[in-house]
This record gives sequence, C-alpha cells and structure tokens, in this order.
Amino acid sequence: RKEVEQDPGPFNVPEGATVAFNCTYSNSASQSFFWYRQDCRKEPKLLMSVYSSGNEDGRFTAQLNRASQYISLLIRDSKLSDSATYLCVVNVAGGYQKVTFGTGTKLQVIP
Amino acid sequence: EAEVAQSPRYKITEKSQAVAFWCDPISGHATLYWYRQILGQGPELLVQFQDESVVDDSQLPKDRFSAERLKGVDSTLKIQPAELGDSAMYLCASSRGSYNEQFFGPGTRLTVL
Repeated sequence: RKEVEQDPGPFNVPEGATVAFNCTYSNSASQSFFWYRQDCRKEPKLLMSVYSSGNEDGRFTAQLNRASQYISLLIRDSKLSDSATYLCVVNVAGGYQKVTFGTGTKLQVIP
Repeated sequence: EAEVAQSPRYKITEKSQAVAFWCDPISGHATLYWYRQILGQGPELLVQFQDESVVDDSQLPKDRFSAERLKGVDSTLKIQPAELGDSAMYLCASSRGSYNEQFFGPGTRLTVL
C-alpha cells in the first residue's frame, strides 16, 4: 500500500459546484498535513495546512480524520481559476519529519 | 515576500554529461529539500537537509547524484553522468523546520538528450 494515496481524477465540475478530494495515509504516526496547489508546469504552492479541528479559508475547507487516516479538501463555489492539481503532503514524526507527497488530484472547472 | 531561488530554470544536456542545480532557500529556513517530479506524478523527495546535515537521502541515486549544503544556506544538486531517465523537473523547497510548511522555488526543468 502506498504511504499517501490520492484519486488522480480528473474531476470535471461546472463553475459554482462544490467538489471534495480525499487523501489517505498509511502511517498512523503522521503528524502534520498540508494541501498544495500545482498549476501545469509550475511549482507547488501551499494552499493550506490541515489542523486536527479542521480549518477554513474562504471557499476552501480542510479536515483531518485520524481514525480513518485521511485528510480532505472541500472547494465551494468552484471558479475556473481553481483548475489545477491538488497535492496532499503528509509528514511522519521521527527524529526529523519524513515528508511524502501524494500523486495529486486533477481538477478541471468547466464554464 | 521572500522566495526560494533556483537556477538555472531550464537545462538541456546530453547523456553522460554532468549537470548541477543551485538553490537558495528563504533566509532563516533550516530545512531544505530537493525533489524530482516527473510529469503527471507527485514530487519525489531526493534529499532533505537540516542545516548542513543530510537527514534523509534514502531515495537519492547515490551512484550518480550528489547534494551538498556546506554552510547550511544554499545548496547544490549534481548529476554525473546524466541519463535519459533523469529528464524531469527538479524542485527545491525550504521550511523553517521539518514540521512546518514548505515553500518551493520555480524549479529547474532538465532535458537529457
């Protein structure tokens, strides 16, 4: 089983729709979690950290479910500019944090 | 706003040649990462530094790749000799500490002919 798994998509959604992605992780010692956005042929950019209590930033909501070992990203009122690949990142505790990226979920918002 | 700097942005080389990439992290960031990303896949960690020390290079092909961060600031990743399969985007990222969010440079796109 992969350490971090994401559905590659693509998720094709109309403008204004709500879309959600999940990211599952295998190591229960995982401690910190992030969502990144990556546009085609560009570097990943931090979208948001994921906190245990869940967190929201405008149209974006991130949640963590430790019992089922997944994180989620919800995008409300999708915009054309939200079209990108969304990468989850999981850090596992240790002497240093071991970082693992998911393969990404591609989102295409359609007019 | 502070940024991670990388150079060159693009590199075309022939197989068996040597290539080197440079990264200057955000000032004060102790942790520096080098990743390789193949189109359609997520970034794969090659090496992670904490200050000048390597803390993870388990995925670094050590027969041909080397990385250093001599003064705990900027870093160089070298490939010698380059192979066709090394064609990819090489990304550098930095963070205040290994628990913190990472910030990425624009990457170096390597093409090996």
